[in-house]
Amino acid sequence: NAGVTQTPKFQVLKTGQSMTLQCAQDMNHEYMSWYRQDPGMGLRLIHYSVGAGITDQGEVPNGYNVSRSTTEDFPLRLLSAAPSQTSVYFCASSYSQGETQYFGPGTRLLVL
Amino acid sequence: AQSVTQLDSQVPVFEEAPVELRCNYSSSVSVYLFWYVQYPNQGLQLLLKYLSGSTLVKGINGFEAEFNKSQTSFHLRKPSVHISDTAEYFCAVKTSYDKVIFGPGTSLSVIP
Repeated sequence: NAGVTQTPKFQVLKTGQSMTLQCAQDMNHEYMSWYRQDPGMGLRLIHYSVGAGITDQGEVPNGYNVSRSTTEDFPLRLLSAAPSQTSVYFCASSYSQGETQYFGPGTRLLVL
Repeated sequence: AQSVTQLDSQVPVFEEAPVELRCNYSSSVSVYLFWYVQYPNQGLQLLLKYLSGSTLVKGINGFEAEFNKSQTSFHLRKPSVHISDTAEYFCAVKTSYDKVIFGPGTSLSVIP
């Protein structure tokens, strides 16, 4: 099993550009989530999904969109990048909400 | 709102010395508790978790944690640390709404 994979590993964007961060898991987990990690703030939940076709907002959803068309994939879209979105983004999955989460290696994003 | 506090943002400790990383949470109901570790430039991985039963939980790499309901704490301990334990450690709690809240993290630095 590859576990949770994320692409790209690194990305530099200019303010106003859009992009999609990819996340995939091969463990048949129903629950998937996106976090951003900033120094001194731990992990903050952006969006999550409890199954294909179902998504919901987390703690810091503004400026991000998600969709869940399949169990395996959960892409995160930045609609119009801003410097405040410079962060490390982690995707995670688990069998169900609230259970042990498996994290991807992260995407490091710099918005200029 | 439920929250997780990690009182120490940075903990330096000499190799082979014991260490305790503190975690307190606010909750009036039963919770699940987790400790995750993040090695440099990697995603998070589970160290240990408390669901129910014995209040002393053993995890990977020689770590253990004790659940104290009266003090709402879940401190992480290791009797003798190794250089390879240098990492960021996150305490997390599953809330009554099945969401997982992460603490801000404690950076453990092991000094040779």
